[in-house]
Amino acid sequence: KQEVTQIPAALSVPEGENLVLNCSFTDSAIYNLQWFRQDPGKGLTSLLLIQSSQREQTSGRLNASLDKSSGRSTLYIAASQPGDSATYLCAVRPNSGYALNFGKGTSLLVTP
Amino acid sequence: DGGITQSPKYLFRKEGQNVTLSCEQNLNHDAMYWYRQDPGQGLRLIYYSQIVNDFQKGDIAEGYSVSREKKESFPLTVTSAQKNPTAFYLCASTRGLTSSYNEQFFGPGTRLTVL
Repeated sequence: KQEVTQIPAALSVPEGENLVLNCSFTDSAIYNLQWFRQDPGKGLTSLLLIQSSQREQTSGRLNASLDKSSGRSTLYIAASQPGDSATYLCAVRPNSGYALNFGKGTSLLVTP
Repeated sequence: DGGITQSPKYLFRKEGQNVTLSCEQNLNHDAMYWYRQDPGQGLRLIYYSQIVNDFQKGDIAEGYSVSREKKESFPLTVTSAQKNPTAFYLCASTRGLTSSYNEQFFGPGTRLTVL
């Protein structure tokens, strides 16, 4: 079964810093990988989706990379802001199935 | 605006009761999913449905049931057989299972508490 791990579990940074969140997965046979943001008590908001054939995707201050062969993805957040404070979840869709396998998330706090 | 709605936002269940959580989408998506989220455990798949009148068990289907009579709707029933139902329940959908761009969208969630 696909295992998805996110490191670190929690992160606190001062406003303005660039930061990297890490996601690793055990089975490289993936269809795509998706990064989400979750605010406390809310649903998930999709940030970026990377197809298995792609190396990276960008949206505004966010950049996600994918190295399928090594089973890793990173989410890069540039010039962090207090509004970026949330939990960030990584999820992979395997080739053999349709539902996502989630990591436990990284809880990010950006302090003013 | 297109999206996924879930109701109610908060739900309280007494011991021995069945309760039903609503999920509706107007995105014209074919596939729908139910996940359960517990603190420190991440999201776990309960059921999913690829098309109307068809659904499949996920990793933790015991004590739950679903139906898919309409493309737009995928209600989840938490039965009295589910011994630890207190959790945050999230509904999701995707455009189509064979689409090359298959972004999954989520609803706002229902928080279920057993009294």
